Amino acid sequence: GNSVTQMEGPVTLSEEAFLTINCTYTATGYPSLFWYVQYPGEGLQLLLKATKADDKGSNKGFEATYRKETTSFHLEKGSVQVSDSAVYFCALSYSGGYQKVTFGTGTKLQVIP
Amino acid sequence: NAGVTQTPKFQVLKTGQSMTLQCAQDMNHNSMYWYRQDPGMGLRLIYYSASEGTTDKGEVPNGYNVSRLNKREFSLRLESAAPSQTSVYFCASSEAPISTDTQYFGPGTRLTVL
Repeated sequence: GNSVTQMEGPVTLSEEAFLTINCTYTATGYPSLFWYVQYPGEGLQLLLKATKADDKGSNKGFEATYRKETTSFHLEKGSVQVSDSAVYFCALSYSGGYQKVTFGTGTKLQVIP
Repeated sequence: NAGVTQTPKFQVLKTGQSMTLQCAQDMNHNSMYWYRQDPGMGLRLIYYSASEGTTDKGEVPNGYNVSRLNKREFSLRLESAAPSQTSVYFCASSEAPISTDTQYFGPGTRLTVL
């Protein structure tokens, strides 16, 4: 079956540090890939997505590239801020009568001043 | 434009009690979903409605029922709550049931079953 594996957290960084959160997936065919972010006490919201191999999704300084050869979709940001503290979920999605989404377990990021 | 709204935000039930979680979206989306979020397990799909008038089981449907009341509203019912249903419940919607669509989430309902 489909699965998503994320690096375990929590990840603690100082402000302005470089961020990488690893995400690898197992799937047949060609899923779409997403990063969602969840701020404390809120629901998930889309951070970025990529719908085909070699696509790069980007938003708010975050980037991730859909790598089919390594089945990866790692999230990066060059300089994190305290306001980036949240839980980040990697997810893959298929169509099949409905949108079948498989979520990773989430990686908590804490950025300290 | 409120997006996806959920009520209540918090609820405490005793084992065996019933309750309905309400969800509404104002984005004219066709598809709606109910997930539960448990520590260390990500989000798991309980039920979905690909379009108005249809509902179907997801990954963990046991102990739950749903109603797609109209295009805007999708409710989740617990008929006889159990401690294993203690979780955070999220409703989500998307424009179409296709892989590339973004899902929009409500703020969640935190449910505790004693």
